[in-house]
Amino acid sequence: AQSVTQLGSHVSVSEGALVLLRCNYSSSVPPYLFWYVQYPNQGLQLLLKYTTGATLVKGINGFEAEFKKSETSFHLTKPSAHMSDAAEYFCAVTGANSKLTFGKGITLSVRP
Amino acid sequence: GAVVSQHPSWVICKSGTSVKIECRSLDFQATTMFWYRQFPKQSLMLMATSNEGSKATYEQGVEKDKFLINHASLTLSTLTVTSAHPEDSSFYICSARVAGHSYEQYFGPGTRLTVT
Repeated sequence: AQSVTQLGSHVSVSEGALVLLRCNYSSSVPPYLFWYVQYPNQGLQLLLKYTTGATLVKGINGFEAEFKKSETSFHLTKPSAHMSDAAEYFCAVTGANSKLTFGKGITLSVRP
Repeated sequence: GAVVSQHPSWVICKSGTSVKIECRSLDFQATTMFWYRQFPKQSLMLMATSNEGSKATYEQGVEKDKFLINHASLTLSTLTVTSAHPEDSSFYICSARVAGHSYEQYFGPGTRLTVT
């Protein structure tokens, strides 16, 4: 079984500030981890993924995430927030059954 | 590459009628497609896994007679909501998995269903 925990439902940052969105996972097998972004009334867009290899992964739009097995975490960061980053962000894990399990999502707001 | 489309993008139907939603992989073959449901301000809930040429596998609690899934080709899966009721109103999203890549899914833009 696998699960994802995204604490909090809303994060607000100022434009230009650091973005940190937290994700912790539980998996009985080595996990594949994903971050997706969803804009209103749209589908999901893959930001980045971790499968194997380098634990620091870089994605689109300046986002990156670090897989920390000892902490069972896969937090998403971006050094400098942009207004266009305002959206819903989902962390997801897949395991042996190849099904994606999503966290409940977190809304990112960016203040001018 | 790896584009998934859904049609329609939104639909309004009357209670008791059926509505079909199409999910297409435009530039790749998808042996497996997934159907999700998303309520406002909530996460995605997997409804079923659809494999080309075989019956769909439904998640626990999902009524297979109400949500009919057909995956007739490597590029098309359909979800039919039968005898729709207002509680079926939701955002339905499909995803497609590239043949040979067991972990990566590409998502469609979603279909907003409103049942009146």
